Amino acid sequence: DTEVTQTPKHLVMGMTNKKSLKCEQHMGHRAMYWYKQKAKKPPELMFVYSYEKLSINESVPSRFSPECPNSSLLNLHLHALQPEDSALYLCASSQEATTLSGANVLTFGAGSRLTVL
Amino acid sequence: GEDVEQSLFLSVREGDSSVINCTYTDSSSTYLYWYKQEPGAGLQLLTYIFSNMDMKQDQRLTVLLNKKDKHLSLRIADTQTGDSAIYFCADEGYSTLTFGKGTMLLVSP
Repeated sequence: DTEVTQTPKHLVMGMTNKKSLKCEQHMGHRAMYWYKQKAKKPPELMFVYSYEKLSINESVPSRFSPECPNSSLLNLHLHALQPEDSALYLCASSQEATTLSGANVLTFGAGSRLTVL
Repeated sequence: GEDVEQSLFLSVREGDSSVINCTYTDSSSTYLYWYKQEPGAGLQLLTYIFSNMDMKQDQRLTVLLNKKDKHLSLRIADTQTGDSAIYFCADEGYSTLTFGKGTMLLVSP
């Protein structure tokens, strides 16, 4: 299995809703990432998990709450979002979170397209 | 902070070569990457180059790196309509990737 699977593919939510995005990989990767991508922009890093521990939080608002229940799963819990949070949310994974043992090649999922009304 | 710049748009005819350019500022970059994103999809790694190399070839793809000028390019030979996509260069120092803004490649028949 060489894929990163993200669910749901599309999500529409109101500003008072609570929802979650899910990401799964079975490649034995020990680093997992959440990126946010607005239209016609590059992906922006949100969070990095390394060996199931949060290692990087790029000053993301607390209405986004990541969770890594085990080495194969990564969730992003959403609560009280704003319309400007509408974007494509990309999950990625890699062998490790550094380049100390070689290129840090990220495998991306297809993304979850989020619309906040 | 780190900065990665790319031209935003390139249009070529099918069968021509495409060259996408990228400049970066982080002198500590160990690897530089090219990713491809098709509409509605995630990013797909095309190739990468170690910073002490100046060229890497992989089938139709040739990556050139000028470390002195911090300039990276991706050449696609015999460009096909299926190559139409957004191409992102990215550099990496110790940990996270910094992506350029992406170059939209449009290939016309």
